[in-house]
Amino acid sequence: DARVTQTPRHKVTEMGQEVTMRCQPILGHNTVFWYRQTMMQGLELLAYFRNRAPLDDSGMPKDRFSAEMPDATLATLKIQPSEPRDSAVYFCASGLGGYGEKLFFGSGTQLSVL
Amino acid sequence: GNSVTQMEGPVTLSEEAFLTINCTYTATGYPSLFWYVQYPGEGLQLLLKATKADDKGSNKGFEATYRKETTSFHLEKGSVQVSDSAVYFCALSTTLGDDKIIFGKGTRLHILP
Repeated sequence: DARVTQTPRHKVTEMGQEVTMRCQPILGHNTVFWYRQTMMQGLELLAYFRNRAPLDDSGMPKDRFSAEMPDATLATLKIQPSEPRDSAVYFCASGLGGYGEKLFFGSGTQLSVL
Repeated sequence: GNSVTQMEGPVTLSEEAFLTINCTYTATGYPSLFWYVQYPGEGLQLLLKATKADDKGSNKGFEATYRKETTSFHLEKGSVQVSDSAVYFCALSTTLGDDKIIFGKGTRLHILP
């Protein structure tokens, strides 16, 4: 079965370090989303792309977060510098776009910033 | 703006009980409505969806009906199983030119044997 692949599955780092999370969307999908999940805030949309172009990153702290799609098979989410409040599960999802289309989620990256 | 409100959990039920998880929405245009489920340690996966008023989505014994008059999309199941224990998310997407899917905060469901 086609699936969205995220790496790493777990990441423990110290405050101030750079963190890079990677996502391989399903081949042929033209939309990619980054979500952050915490107990307090639930599922927050950080950024999304259509045909590799960023359409909305208003949910992302711009001073430390950046999201890119260097090619159709790779999406990245970077945090620099990381802070303890960034500790969360980060999900990537991809889809075909359009009305009523569903998203396919990866298994997430569990990030702990000490 | 667009938003989804769902009942807070956790919800704890005994096996074979009837389940309802309430979901209401606010949206411009004509949204598609979804229920996603998240099992422990996994990403979300689509459970069911409905794309127009009065449509009923169903899967694995779960059902939800798109009610435009009450802006609701409540999830129901007649007899729950221990394996249904998970977090359930109500979500919407709109027809207004973007592909964003807006999620509710999720409802954790515990089923006791």
